[in-house]
Amino acid sequence: GQNIDQPTEMTATEGAIVQINCTYQTSGFNGLFWYQQHAGEAPTFLSYNVLDGLEEKGRFSSFLSRSKGYSYLLLKELQMKDSASYLCAVDNDYKLSFGAGTTVTVRA
Amino acid sequence: EAQVTQNPRYLITVTGKKLTVTCSQNMNHEYMSWYRQDPGLGLRQIYYSMNVEVTDKGDVPEGYKVSRKEKRNFPLILESPSPNQTSLYFCASSPPPQNKNTGELFFGEGSRLTVL
Repeated sequence: GQNIDQPTEMTATEGAIVQINCTYQTSGFNGLFWYQQHAGEAPTFLSYNVLDGLEEKGRFSSFLSRSKGYSYLLLKELQMKDSASYLCAVDNDYKLSFGAGTTVTVRA
Repeated sequence: EAQVTQNPRYLITVTGKKLTVTCSQNMNHEYMSWYRQDPGLGLRQIYYSMNVEVTDKGDVPEGYKVSRKEKRNFPLILESPSPNQTSLYFCASSPPPQNKNTGELFFGEGSRLTVL
């Protein structure tokens, strides 16, 4: 079976940094996605990690440790528009398993 | 404009009345998939298709059927809907998989289905 865990909610202040953790136990692994989903909208792609290490893309960075079954998404210089749900998903031979998502609320 | 289009966006129906949710993409993507999203459970994959005439079950296929007769279309069929299929449904597509990776998914806007 697939088990993907991430915190349910996080709150942070505008301009701050927030780290969203994701741990996984899956029957296979090809890579790990992070998606952003605003309320009432479709998810949009943020990052995809295949190899261990940190990948930076503007204000967002994603880290992967395959040996630990662990990833995190780092959001820097938080803006109000970053208030959304962040979804971690494990890619296993064309099958995608998502975590339940982490709702991030950015306060002024 | 590159997009994934789902129809209908909203539907209220009754138990047992067959329905189809259509999904069409104009990006010539080979991979397409269907998900349902429920509070507290996140997105769960229903079915996926790697190419025309090739479909496979995801994690929650029970009560659903799909077909992939053309590359651009991937309809989701509920032969006999039940209240537990009330959910928000998303269709998604991605470029040809490489090295068994799905690639970035492009999602449709979602179809909110209520079964009474």
